[in-house]
Amino acid sequence: GAVVSQHPSRVICKSGTSVKIECRSLDFQATTMFWYRQFPKQSLMLMATSNEGSKATYEQGVEKDKFLINHASLTLSTLTVTSAHPEDSSFYICSARRQGENYGYTFGSGTRLTVV
Amino acid sequence: QKEVEQDPGPLSVPEGAIVSLNCTYSNSAFQYFMWYRQYSRKGPELLMYTYSSGNKEDGRFTAQVDKSSKYISLFIRDSQPSDSATYLCATVKAAGNKLTFGGGTRVLVKP
Repeated sequence: GAVVSQHPSRVICKSGTSVKIECRSLDFQATTMFWYRQFPKQSLMLMATSNEGSKATYEQGVEKDKFLINHASLTLSTLTVTSAHPEDSSFYICSARRQGENYGYTFGSGTRLTVV
Repeated sequence: QKEVEQDPGPLSVPEGAIVSLNCTYSNSAFQYFMWYRQYSRKGPELLMYTYSSGNKEDGRFTAQVDKSSKYISLFIRDSQPSDSATYLCATVKAAGNKLTFGGGTRVLVKP
């Protein structure tokens, strides 16, 4: 089956530093990847949609300069949280869509970011 | 109003009982309907998907979609403590790209 690997699973960083989260589709090509943020006991909130080789599309209210997304290959997308602050602490999840399937969305295992 | 509404629960059932989950949606353009299971601090895992109206069964899981009433359901038979998780319904338009999620329902199956 389709597997999406997300790394790291947990990260603690100091306020003001940047953190990069990787999302890889291991056994399929993903022209489209999605980045979500999830607060405790809440559903997933879509942050942005990234397409390979083009700029990401951000949802309303998401700061594109703070959450940098790069989708340089068909199997890798990265989310960089720049100048992180404690309010950026959250659970970040990526998802990759398999080509040709309207239901083929596979999720990574998530990254818990804590900014201290 | 959210496009997909889902009761947050929690829903507590004894082991062996049937778990009944449901969502309602407002946009007639939604064509594909999915159910995901999410354990604490993990990514969602696809359980079932259906296209348009109809039923689909996979082991202990049955997914139903009624497009006339814009209502989707998931039934879990012979529930186990390992089924304790948050269940998220999701939908996507046929020609669209983004998943639209319900808020999730927390389920607790007590031994």
